[in-house]
Amino acid sequence: TQLLEQSPQFLSIQEGENLTVYCNSSSVFSSLQWYRQEPGEGPVLLVTVVTGGEVKKLKRLTFQFGDARKDSSLHITAAQPGDTGLYLCAAYSGYSTLTFGKGTMLLVSP
Amino acid sequence: NAGVMQNPRHLVRRRGQEARLRCSPMKGHSHVYWYRQLPEEGLKFMVYLQKENIIDESGMPKERFSAEFPKEGPSILRIQQVVRGDSAAYFCASALAGALYEQYFGPGTRLTVT
Repeated sequence: TQLLEQSPQFLSIQEGENLTVYCNSSSVFSSLQWYRQEPGEGPVLLVTVVTGGEVKKLKRLTFQFGDARKDSSLHITAAQPGDTGLYLCAAYSGYSTLTFGKGTMLLVSP
Repeated sequence: NAGVMQNPRHLVRRRGQEARLRCSPMKGHSHVYWYRQLPEEGLKFMVYLQKENIIDESGMPKERFSAEFPKEGPSILRIQQVVRGDSAAYFCASALAGALYEQYFGPGTRLTVT
């Protein structure tokens, strides 16, 4: 069973700060996805990374896939209150079913 | 194009009752996945269905839980004789046949068992 470890579990910062959250595993993945889940809603796909060393940018969010394809990071520049939410990493296994990490809960205060 | 719809959004059941959760996939999507989110365990896969077929039910508890996705109508996740431990948020996701690695999630059904 693939296990995705996310850190930190919880992060509380002020608006304008930068932050990085991590997703690590001992398994090698063909691809890895990041989702954001807001309270009371379902996860929303942010990005899929597929190539070792790949870097993808989505406005103030930068996603990196490790060279060995075992880990990934999400960096947010100048965080805003609208970035508040649960950030989940996930990988596919089996019949296209997703395995999720437990997530990083991010709280950005004005 | 409407997203994945789930109803009810909130469901309260007493122990021993049945819970029925419905999921209408996005238009044109013929693949449906159900996931359960428990506070300390995170989001976990339960079952994967295609129209009229169960493809993978490896995450489904062996007793009391069943799922279907009929030719017409929504997918149904059914929990019989609910217990307090069934209290959780249940999400379904749907995908196109040619894009299974792009799943779209619904807003979830929050089940509370009293």
